[in-house]
Amino acid sequence: ETGVTQTPRHLVMGMTNKKSLKCEQHLGHNAMYWYKQSAKKPLELMFVYSLEERVENNSVPSRFSPECPNSSHLFLHLHTLQPEDSALYLCASSQDGGAGADTQYFGPGTRLTVL
Amino acid sequence: AQSVTQLGSHVSVSEGALVLLRCNYSSSVPPYLFWYVQYPNQGLQLLLKYTTGATLVKGINGFEAEFKKSETSFHLTKPSAHMSDAAEYFCAVGGGSNYKLTFGKGTLLTVNP
Repeated sequence: ETGVTQTPRHLVMGMTNKKSLKCEQHLGHNAMYWYKQSAKKPLELMFVYSLEERVENNSVPSRFSPECPNSSHLFLHLHTLQPEDSALYLCASSQDGGAGADTQYFGPGTRLTVL
Repeated sequence: AQSVTQLGSHVSVSEGALVLLRCNYSSSVPPYLFWYVQYPNQGLQLLLKYTTGATLVKGINGFEAEFKKSETSFHLTKPSAHMSDAAEYFCAVGGGSNYKLTFGKGTLLTVNP
């Protein structure tokens, strides 16, 4: 595998389910990100981890819970979601989370549908 | 604070025609500017970026963009559109030591045969 991978690619869940999204980066980067992409809206930054420490929690509801066990893996745990949480969830990584010029490399995303 | 405005949510061109996608930004610090492209069912891929130095930036697939500080613009161009250029394009601004990127809403480019 190369680059940034995400699993699953598609997920359908009920509002009472618990599920997790997984992201893995094979680039040796130190920072990882979760974004939410909804139709007609700009990408919304949800969480940022730098060297496995959370450095940004962008007012995200507690029904979204991130986990970064090491610099290569990032999870997003989901529980009791709402239909408006349906979106494409993108994971990204960059070499150094503290540098604004860093290129962020994106995974293909998980298309989440909440029924 | 930073913001990005992409003028035109949808741009349609004929194959072989000039592509021009507009991006204006606002930033309280010297900006870093990015253009990303997203093909259907894929993540975002970097086309090009401006950090410092030369204001005309060349990217992949024949795209280029020019940083114009006086106009706070970073428009993306390609001299001749190809069918494979059909995708959604996102402009983003970052700055200083802040990792955070602010994205525009995107411009969907369609290329007609």
